[in-house]
Amino acid sequence: ILNVEQSPQSLHVQEGDSTNFTCSFPSSNFYALHWYRWETAKSPEALFVMTLNGDEKKKGRISATLNTKEGYSYLYIKGSQPEDSATYLCAFNPGSARQLTFGSGTQLTVLP
Amino acid sequence: GAVVSQHPSWVICKSGTSVKIECRSLDFQATTMFWYRQFPKQSLMLMATSNEGSKATYEQGVEKDKFLINHASLTLSTLTVTSAHPEDSSFYICSAGRLAGPYYEQYFGPGTRLTVT
Repeated sequence: ILNVEQSPQSLHVQEGDSTNFTCSFPSSNFYALHWYRWETAKSPEALFVMTLNGDEKKKGRISATLNTKEGYSYLYIKGSQPEDSATYLCAFNPGSARQLTFGSGTQLTVLP
Repeated sequence: GAVVSQHPSWVICKSGTSVKIECRSLDFQATTMFWYRQFPKQSLMLMATSNEGSKATYEQGVEKDKFLINHASLTLSTLTVTSAHPEDSSFYICSAGRLAGPYYEQYFGPGTRLTVT
């Protein structure tokens, strides 16, 4: 059983604050790490696919880093806005398998 | 692009009846679709991998006679919960897979909330 953990489970921040959360995953047999954003009543939306150790990806105010040797990824949001409120999921992709193992998510609430 | 629809978005059924949930890739063809289940405060748990034109592959612990999966075309997979019981009440979500450049991506539907009374 693959263990993918996310912390914190939930987070409340004020508008304008920057924030970050963590995804930890097995460091062996790594292929890819996916980040999704999931707003209530909508489909999870793919944010990043990360594959190389040391990778850093950016999309607007959101960025992510990857450390495959120690098995963790950080997601950063700079200057949080209320529309950033969502659950952020990471998913681990081992070997060349197509199946994903998900963490339980970090629920972010940005207060105006 | 890469839009996946799922119907119904919510359903209430009586114990002992069967419920069918549809997952469609609207603007691409998906040879593989995935079905997940989510319990409150828990992660998405993969139930089965649905392959077009062949039998689904079920994860350990998932009853294939209880959760029937059909992937009859490249854009449609269905999950039928047979003889539903209250313990089957859950959130079910599907995804459709395709290559996005060098990576294999899954694109998700919005999910179905099933309540069995």
